[in-house]
Amino acid sequence: LAKTTQPISMDSYEGQEVNITCSHNNIATNDYITWYQQFPSQGPRFIIQGYKTKVTNEVASLFIPADRKSSTLSLPRVSLSDTAVYYCLVGDNNSGYALNFGKGTSLLVTP
Amino acid sequence: EPEVTQTPSHQVTQMGQEVILRCVPISNHLYFYWYRQILGQKVEFLVSFYNNEISEKSEIFDDQFSVERPDGSNFTLKIRSTKLEDSAMYFCASSEALQGTSGSVVRETQYFGPGTRLLVL
Repeated sequence: LAKTTQPISMDSYEGQEVNITCSHNNIATNDYITWYQQFPSQGPRFIIQGYKTKVTNEVASLFIPADRKSSTLSLPRVSLSDTAVYYCLVGDNNSGYALNFGKGTSLLVTP
Repeated sequence: EPEVTQTPSHQVTQMGQEVILRCVPISNHLYFYWYRQILGQKVEFLVSFYNNEISEKSEIFDDQFSVERPDGSNFTLKIRSTKLEDSAMYFCASSEALQGTSGSVVRETQYFGPGTRLLVL
């Protein structure tokens, strides 16, 4: 499994765009990049998944450069309710069934 | 939107007692999982289940743990004799299983339930 590195914590004000970058230098050819969000005392919630370039959904965008050694989760115009822990996971859907959660990035959004 | 549900939301038990945590996965999903999260720590994988058998399990999933799909909708985690260190949030997850191009089964995105908070006294 590719090791991931992401900031332990980030702070933002409401209405700002937040970009959380994850490093995964050892990403394998078959690996996908997946981001989950977790609120206190709740289960992780799938946000977005991508393989290369850019993926966008109603919640976030995921930017993946050509070398795929990093990825950036972009949250547009965050609100207080976006305060959560964000996890970057890298893995191959065809092998290994366990999601390997790291410590994630704890995002605090303040007024 | 379909979601994974878990019962109970909270469970308090005495050390040495058996507990059964219940999950109802999303209806068309065929892969099921249990994870746990001790307070303040990472989410840890316990076990995955497919086609009525365990696909993968972690070192945490020792002989005290078992999983079962007793009927077409429920997926359970049993802890035979609870220990203090079993106190944690337990999350169930499920995912679709699609046929890959090479004939293998591709595991899709995992969707998590709200969790059961287990407290062992």
